[in-house]
Amino acid sequence: DSGVTQTPKHLITATGQRVTLRCSPRSGDLSVYWYQQSLDQGLQFLIQYYNGEERAKGNILERFSAQQFPDLHSELNLSSLELGDSALYFCASSAGLWGSGELFFGEGSRLTVL
Amino acid sequence: GENVEQHPSTLSVQEGDSAVIKCTYSDSASNYFPWYKQELGKRPQLIIDIRSNVGEKKDQRIAVTLNKTAKHFSLHITETQPEDSAVYFCAASTGNQFYFGTGTSLTVIP
Repeated sequence: DSGVTQTPKHLITATGQRVTLRCSPRSGDLSVYWYQQSLDQGLQFLIQYYNGEERAKGNILERFSAQQFPDLHSELNLSSLELGDSALYFCASSAGLWGSGELFFGEGSRLTVL
Repeated sequence: GENVEQHPSTLSVQEGDSAVIKCTYSDSASNYFPWYKQELGKRPQLIIDIRSNVGEKKDQRIAVTLNKTAKHFSLHITETQPEDSAVYFCAASTGNQFYFGTGTSLTVIP
């Protein structure tokens, strides 16, 4: 158990819909990262938050948005969903701001868009 | 930004043999290089990491080497076992964020 909690574990929805994925980082970790992993693909970095502020942005679509709340949990919002958005979405947390320590991944949220 | 390339994409070895996975990076400012193992349907987990001030690090059957001049680093697994079968990801970090390679699917044949 990494200490990172993601909900829901599985989600099936239709094209055009909107979903919210939730992540609770490890206790004490201030950084939260979101990654997208499509079938047989690598880990595509989406966005990073540190202590409530956006710190880095990767290949995140404009239809996607995220935020980190004062209690440090984070939400990834995916809207106007397309078939190609079907993927495993991982949240990861780390203690510090800078990427020089271990990333702890959650179990992932598997999104299926039909 | 940083670009991490990983080879091979798939690798099959006989149980007991060694496996080597190689990664190259582009940004000379990268200073932290972790390796993650992802078993089927599971989350990635850190198995070993190395910092830029170290050339080699070993942990039991797993070792990582770093060549800063050539900007490449490698994962070495000796005496492979079936439970080593997984996807392995290398990553490089400049300190701002992690850049992952595309992964290597390792199959250890009993």
